[in-house]
This record gives sequence, structure tokens and C-alpha cells, in this order.
Amino acid sequence: QVQLVQSGAVVKKPGASVKVSCRASGYTFTRNGISWVRQAPGHGLEWMGWINTNNGDTIYAQEVQGRVTMTTDTSTSTAYMDLRSLRSDDTAVYYCARDVGLIAASPDSFGSWGQGTLVTVSS
Amino acid sequence: QSALTQPASVSGSPGQSITISCTGTSSDVGGYNYVSWYQQHPGEVPKLVIYEVNHRPSGVSNRFSGSKSGNTASLTISGLQADDEADYYCASYTRSSTWVFGGGTKVTVL
Repeated sequence: QVQLVQSGAVVKKPGASVKVSCRASGYTFTRNGISWVRQAPGHGLEWMGWINTNNGDTIYAQEVQGRVTMTTDTSTSTAYMDLRSLRSDDTAVYYCARDVGLIAASPDSFGSWGQGTLVTVSS
Repeated sequence: QSALTQPASVSGSPGQSITISCTGTSSDVGGYNYVSWYQQHPGEVPKLVIYEVNHRPSGVSNRFSGSKSGNTASLTISGLQADDEADYYCASYTRSSTWVFGGGTKVTVL
């Protein structure tokens, strides 16, 4: 079955960077794109961006453009989300999510989700 | 990109039907048949219940249905059950090739 397993919770200081991983199994990694979605405590869902796992193309939300980089390592079926210049309002649970459809030029609905990674930004 | 507009809360009695609306613009909901809905129980991971306006993923109850008219999409839950009590989020593909979520709706089963 499809599984997305994310790295563990981390605490970072303001201004630092964080890299969250998402290891996929149960399907061919390069056949579905992966989006990253975050949820601040007590708040709703926010789409951050997407990576085409077949060719590495990315699309980022304007809100995090310039601070975020999404990459993959196809040899280990792992996606990564790197967020820089962290601020207190970046404190959130970060989810990776697999496209519901097969790979395309743009992101699809979010069919399978990782368990989430809590990133806490605090001095 | 502004968030899609959902009611903060909707409630219903067991067995009833409820409908959650999700209003956007012609640049997102109205422009594409790529609207999806997610159920999230407290402390849990979101779960896809509807994609491409009215498609149900395998394993999702047929009590969940979706529709769209103009710039507004809707999720209907029929035969309301206690386990349907959760937060529900809509999401839409946009003209910028990005996705945008609604603010979420808390469903209460009375």
C-alpha cells in the first residue's frame, strides 16, 4: 500500500533553516507528483508547493516563494522540503502529499498524505 | 491568492444531510474542474473524500458527494453519522497552476 513516512519533529531558532524528508513506498515514486502542505496550530491547511518527481520541475506558492526549495532523491524515493529564514509564524505541522493522478505538468489533488512533521520555530 | 470561502461551522442530526459550500472566483473554482475536499478529525492527517469536483476515491463512503455551480463548489454528506464530525477543507487548482484551500468548516453532529 502507498506510504509516505516523514522525518521527525524539530525545533529551530528564528532565521535558521529546516529540511523535512518524505520517504515514499508502495508505488513507483516518479509516477506521481508530491505537494507540501502545512498547518499552523489551530489553523487551516496551506498549500506550499509541488514537485514533479519525474523531472524535478517545481511550482511554489507565492507566500513562501524565495524561501522554499523542494527536491527529490529518486534513488531512495524521497522528497525533501527545505525552508529558510524561519520565522515564528512558520511553526506548523508540515505534510507531504502524493498527487491523486499520474504525473503531469501541474499539481493534482492530494490523495495520500504523510503523517506530518511538527516544526517549531522558537528562540 | 486569497483563501476560498467556507462557512465556519455546519451542524446536523444523525441521518440528516448537510451541505458545505466553498466559494472562489473564476480564476480557481469557477475556472477548473479540479476541486477537492478533505476530512480531518482532530489530531489526525487530512483524508481526501472528493476530487475533481465529484469523484470519490476508492474506500470513501458514497454518502459523500460533490458538485459545482459557477464559482461555488459544494460537499454534501447524507445520512449523517457521528464519525462524520470533523473539519472539512475544500481546495481548488488556480490559474497560477497553484492550489488554494478554504478556511475549513467544522461539522458537528448534534
